[in-house]
Amino acid sequence: GQQVMQIPQYQHVQEGEDFTTYCNSSTTLSNIQWYKQRPGGHPVFLIQLVKSGEVKKQKRLTFQFGEAKKNSSLHITATQTTDVGTYFCAGAGTYKYIFGTGTRLKVLA
Amino acid sequence: SQTIHQWPATLVQPVGSPLSLECTVEGTSNPNLYWYRQAAGRGLQLLFYSVGIGQISSEVPQNLSASRPQDRQFILSSKKLLLSDSGFYLCARVNSGANVLTFGAGSRLTVL
Repeated sequence: GQQVMQIPQYQHVQEGEDFTTYCNSSTTLSNIQWYKQRPGGHPVFLIQLVKSGEVKKQKRLTFQFGEAKKNSSLHITATQTTDVGTYFCAGAGTYKYIFGTGTRLKVLA
Repeated sequence: SQTIHQWPATLVQPVGSPLSLECTVEGTSNPNLYWYRQAAGRGLQLLFYSVGIGQISSEVPQNLSASRPQDRQFILSSKKLLLSDSGFYLCARVNSGANVLTFGAGSRLTVL
């Protein structure tokens, strides 16, 4: 079945440093979504990418969808302590949403 | 309101005991509903999804089952819990016309 992997699994950064997580699917995706889960909380939708090569920005967050629509990345510029949490990508199908393994980000003040 | 209610929020159960987790949603009718499980420090595993009353699709063979007796009610059950059933169970919805998952606050299950 479809598998979605993310690297790294964990990342500790100093506040102000940049952070990137990468998402790779075993199959071509029709679209990709990103979610953030704060410690002890539930995942919250951040953004959806649909087009090959698409780039979207949300303040300090930049999301990219690969040309082959099999990979994606999330880059955070100048991390803040509020960025702490686990970031998941998800391949969204007709009914099924397959989540990546997640990247847990810790930001050291 | 697109609120999702999950209960209980936390529970501790002995191995071999039964389980019932309930999820009810408000707002738009006929949502697609989902059960995910998250083991400690791990990713989200899709367990079941439902596109309508009485319709259940199972993704992972296991000792869990799901039912949708009403449009806005989704129940996760087990007859006999295993230690490996411990985890954070999340109910989610997708409304017709949209394809974004909205999650409930989750039910945290510890099997001892």
